[in-house]
Amino acid sequence: GAVVSQHPSWVICKSGTSVKIECRSLDFQATTMFWYRQFPKQSLMLMATSNEGSKATYEQGVEKDKFLINHASLTLSTLTVTSAHPEDSSFYICSARDPGGLKTYEQYFGPGTRLTVT
Amino acid sequence: GQNIDQPTEMTATEGAIVQINCTYQTSGFNGLFWYQQHAGEAPTFLSYNVLDGLEEKGRFSSFLSRSKGYSYLLLKELQMKDSASYLCASRGQAGTALIFGKGTTLSVSS
Repeated sequence: GAVVSQHPSWVICKSGTSVKIECRSLDFQATTMFWYRQFPKQSLMLMATSNEGSKATYEQGVEKDKFLINHASLTLSTLTVTSAHPEDSSFYICSARDPGGLKTYEQYFGPGTRLTVT
Repeated sequence: GQNIDQPTEMTATEGAIVQINCTYQTSGFNGLFWYQQHAGEAPTFLSYNVLDGLEEKGRFSSFLSRSKGYSYLLLKELQMKDSASYLCASRGQAGTALIFGKGTTLSVSS
């Protein structure tokens, strides 16, 4: 089945620094990937839709200059949290559909990245 | 916009049956999904409904009524390992992202 990986699985950084999270589709090409954020005991909140070769589409309330998304290839999207602050500490999960697979409706999730900003 | 409602918490005992309800309001409709999520892990796919009716898959079944904007997830023969958060999600337009409800935390006791 379609596999999505993320790296790193967890990261601790100091306030004011930037952190890059990678999302890869391992066995399929994803023209579109989605980035979600999940705070403790809350559900997944869509942050942005990442489109290969074009600018990402951000959800209302998500700062595009703070959460930089790059989708330079059909198998890789990156999310960079710039000038991170403790309130950015969260579980970041990427997701993608396999448009060429049997289950084009299904959205496959990466294992998530736990970000802690100290 | 989209709005998805489901109960916050539910409890049940081993071997029992539990039904988790979900109501949704979306601009457009391209499917209703259920995911299971254990603490600290990514969600795992359980079911997908795009047409009205019941989809059965082992111990789990999912029902959809598009006219009522309503779905439920039915879990039979509950096991302790079924203790998790169950997320109802909808897709408004084809190719767009899933939008999730707040999730229902299910606790299964012996």
